[in-house]
Amino acid sequence: AQSVTQLDSQVPVFEEAPVELRCNYSSSVSVYLFWYVQYPNQGLQLLLKYLSGSTLVKGINGFEAEFNKSQTSFHLRKPSVHISDTAEYFCAVSPHIYNQGGKLIFGQGTELSVKP
Amino acid sequence: SAVISQKPSRDICQRGTSLTIQCQVDSQVTMMFWYRQQPGQSLTLIATANQGSEATYESGFVIDKFPISRPNLTFSTLTVSNMSPEDSSIYLCSVVDWLAGDNEQFFGPGTRLTVL
Repeated sequence: AQSVTQLDSQVPVFEEAPVELRCNYSSSVSVYLFWYVQYPNQGLQLLLKYLSGSTLVKGINGFEAEFNKSQTSFHLRKPSVHISDTAEYFCAVSPHIYNQGGKLIFGQGTELSVKP
Repeated sequence: SAVISQKPSRDICQRGTSLTIQCQVDSQVTMMFWYRQQPGQSLTLIATANQGSEATYESGFVIDKFPISRPNLTFSTLTVSNMSPEDSSIYLCSVVDWLAGDNEQFFGPGTRLTVL
């Protein structure tokens, strides 16, 4: 079984400051890792994903994440945030098993609030 | 990328009734999933919709409450049966084309259900 823990439920930050949203996971099998963003009253949008290869993954809107296998973490970072980054961010994992492949297990979400 | 539409986009229903939500994809996909997002919460997988066979339900979800159909590779329905106010949620359909090697999961816009 898999589980995902997002360590911060809310992260307030000032505009142009750096931000890190933390995500840890637990799994008995290898997983793919994802970050999704949900803007107010909108659907889910994929920010970035880690499937294999380089552990530093770059996504849309200037976000990046680093996969750390030993610490089972996949923290999301942005060096300088904008007001428009205010949203709910979800970390998710998907197991490397064919008959379970594709299904996503989500963390509880982190509400990023960017203030001027 | 897959384009997904859901009908209805929102509905207000009376306790004890049932609602069927439709999910249509613009291309054939291997895997289709149904998720629930309760107010202020993260997404929880309800079931995997299997083409031509019974859906695979996650722990806590049963077929009698959430019957699912998937008659072909581009369409699925989820029925929320005998509704209660606790069923008020956003229901999302998602797809991934696992066999094509594309592990990105695409989400529909969601169906916002309110049960009175």
